[in-house]
Amino acid sequence: ETGVTQTPRHLVMGMTNKKSLKCEQHLGHNAMYWYKQSAKKPLELMFVYNFKEQTENNSVPSRFSPECPNSSHLFLHLHTLQPEDSALYLCASSPSGSSYNEQFFGPGTRLTVL
Amino acid sequence: AQKVTQAQTEISVVEKEDVTLDCVYETRDTTYYLFWYKQPPSGELVFLIRRNSFDEQNEISGRYSWNFQKSTSSFNFTITASQVVDSAVYFCALSEESQGGSEKLVFGKGTKLTVNP
Repeated sequence: ETGVTQTPRHLVMGMTNKKSLKCEQHLGHNAMYWYKQSAKKPLELMFVYNFKEQTENNSVPSRFSPECPNSSHLFLHLHTLQPEDSALYLCASSPSGSSYNEQFFGPGTRLTVL
Repeated sequence: AQKVTQAQTEISVVEKEDVTLDCVYETRDTTYYLFWYKQPPSGELVFLIRRNSFDEQNEISGRYSWNFQKSTSSFNFTITASQVVDSAVYFCALSEESQGGSEKLVFGKGTKLTVNP
């Protein structure tokens, strides 16, 4: 596998379910990101991890819980979500957290909350 | 606060036409970076170009060209002789380093480009 992969690609869950999104990067990068892309809204940065440490939490509700066990893997744990949380969740990585670096994105997980 | 405005929500052109996608940004920083990304129907964003705030040279890469004008805070993207494969959503983004030392990308809302045969 190369680049940034995300699983699952599609997820439908009820408001009381608990699920997790997984992101893996095979680029040797040290920074990883979660973004939310809703219809008619700009991409919103959710979390940033730099060398496994969380360096950014963009006022994300606690029903979203990130986890970064190592520089190659990033998870987003979901629980008691709301229908308005339905969106495309994109993971990205970059060589480091420097603003100079472009970010490499995965294909996203299309989440539907019923 | 940073802001990126892509005023064109959707553009539709016929193949071989030239098309320009507009991007206007706001920032108080003197050092920043601007990016363009392409999002095809498959979903993943593809990096196209990066420009730093001190380099106002225009850039050309094949059919793509970028016009960075600091005086008007604009970073426009032109596709020459458009092709059907150029159909995608294009995002302009502005980056700066946050206090935590990590990069923050602020995206515009995107412009959906449809190139018809």
